[in-house]
Amino acid sequence: AQKVTQAQTEISVVEKEDVTLDCVYETRDTTYYLFWYKQPPSGELVFLIRRNSFDEQNEISGRYSWNFQKSTSSFNFTITASQVVDSAVYFCALSEAGTGANNLFFGTGTRLTVIP
Amino acid sequence: DAGVIQSPRHEVTEMGQEVTLRCKPISGHDYLFWYRQTMMRGLELLIYFNNNVPIDDSGMPEDRFSAKMPNASFSTLKIQPSEPRDSAVYFCASSSKLTAGGNTIYFGEGSWLTVV
Repeated sequence: AQKVTQAQTEISVVEKEDVTLDCVYETRDTTYYLFWYKQPPSGELVFLIRRNSFDEQNEISGRYSWNFQKSTSSFNFTITASQVVDSAVYFCALSEAGTGANNLFFGTGTRLTVIP
Repeated sequence: DAGVIQSPRHEVTEMGQEVTLRCKPISGHDYLFWYRQTMMRGLELLIYFNNNVPIDDSGMPEDRFSAKMPNASFSTLKIQPSEPRDSAVYFCASSSKLTAGGNTIYFGEGSWLTVV
């Protein structure tokens, strides 16, 4: 069963627009962890954020913000005032305490293109 | 601080040849992971180590793949003999157990393997 679903395969926005990347997860564990990673064209995977299941506070880091809602099993990522450098593939991932929290289940990724 | 270091960054080899990918985890991290990224299967965990001991190798595709971690600062992933379907990006990653539970996993830049 798919544990992490990123329904948006590709998104294009014009620079300075806001964009939200959706992530829906599925787990039976009561303790789990959610992540977002960025994969720029150069190919590396860059860690952006980790969220624990018991902490539903939203988080803001500069132009990035994350909305965690357990009621809808979603962990969405918003980029405000997008820039060309934000162009990348973004992956949402889940790990479960029941499996030792050591295996990341990745979504299929959303390719974001920011047009200048 | 040095991140996870992988080598080689790119490798092109002929079918049947042995391929060895190398990884140096972040100093102090006691978990090491090997992931593979392909278009068809996305990002998938191959194997992970804890304190140099393999814990879960259920993701290793077949006997042609082997991984070792002789010490805390070095790991190898070997494919022998290589096949064209092994062409992928292989990521090494490392983490340390957080006191609050759950691991934040940091990835290297990946080794891009092409088997012709």
